[in-house]
Amino acid sequence: KNEVEQSPQNLTAQEGEFITINCSYSVGISALHWLQQHPGGGIVSLFMLSSGKKKHGRLIATINIQEKHSSLHITASHPRDSAVYICAGPMYSGGGADGLTFGKGTHLIIQP
Amino acid sequence: NAGVTQTPKFRILKIGQSMTLQCTQDMNHNYMYWYRQDPGMGLKLIYYSVGAGITDKGEVPNGYNVSRSTTEDFPLRLELAAPSQTSVYFCASSRTGERSPLHFGNGTRLTVT
Repeated sequence: KNEVEQSPQNLTAQEGEFITINCSYSVGISALHWLQQHPGGGIVSLFMLSSGKKKHGRLIATINIQEKHSSLHITASHPRDSAVYICAGPMYSGGGADGLTFGKGTHLIIQP
Repeated sequence: NAGVTQTPKFRILKIGQSMTLQCTQDMNHNYMYWYRQDPGMGLKLIYYSVGAGITDKGEVPNGYNVSRSTTEDFPLRLELAAPSQTSVYFCASSRTGERSPLHFGNGTRLTVT
């Protein structure tokens, strides 16, 4: 079973700082997900990636399949980026329909 | 498109009561999931479905039941509610399982007292 670990658990930074959140997983996977949970509780999908790098606005996600590691970066951080960021991967190596296993999340606070 | 719609948003149950959490999606997704989120923990899979008429247990299925009579609807039934079922519940759907983005409902905050 895939084990997903995130770091740091909590991160407080000043507006404008470059943010990095890390995710490691234990088994070979075909795709990794990054999600954002708003302070109100809603969850949205940010990225799904299987190799290399993806960029959406100020958010960048990278993955290293060999090292079983992914990072989420936020450039020019803003208070509206304050949220919980969650990493998730397939529950079992080889995938299937068994759903995702989730990290515990990184609680990010960006101060003005 | 409304996406994934969950109802109710909040509910308080007494121990031993039953209830159904409703989930519907209008994206014609085959894959649907129920997760629970407890404080400080990652989301845990309760049940999932890969299409109408097909359901299967996830990591934490005890105390719950599901059905999938249509592609759109995936209700979660709690029988004999217990305090351990106090949690936030999320319904989600995806087009092709874990290799496609997940779409989440807004969640149901359930308290069992």
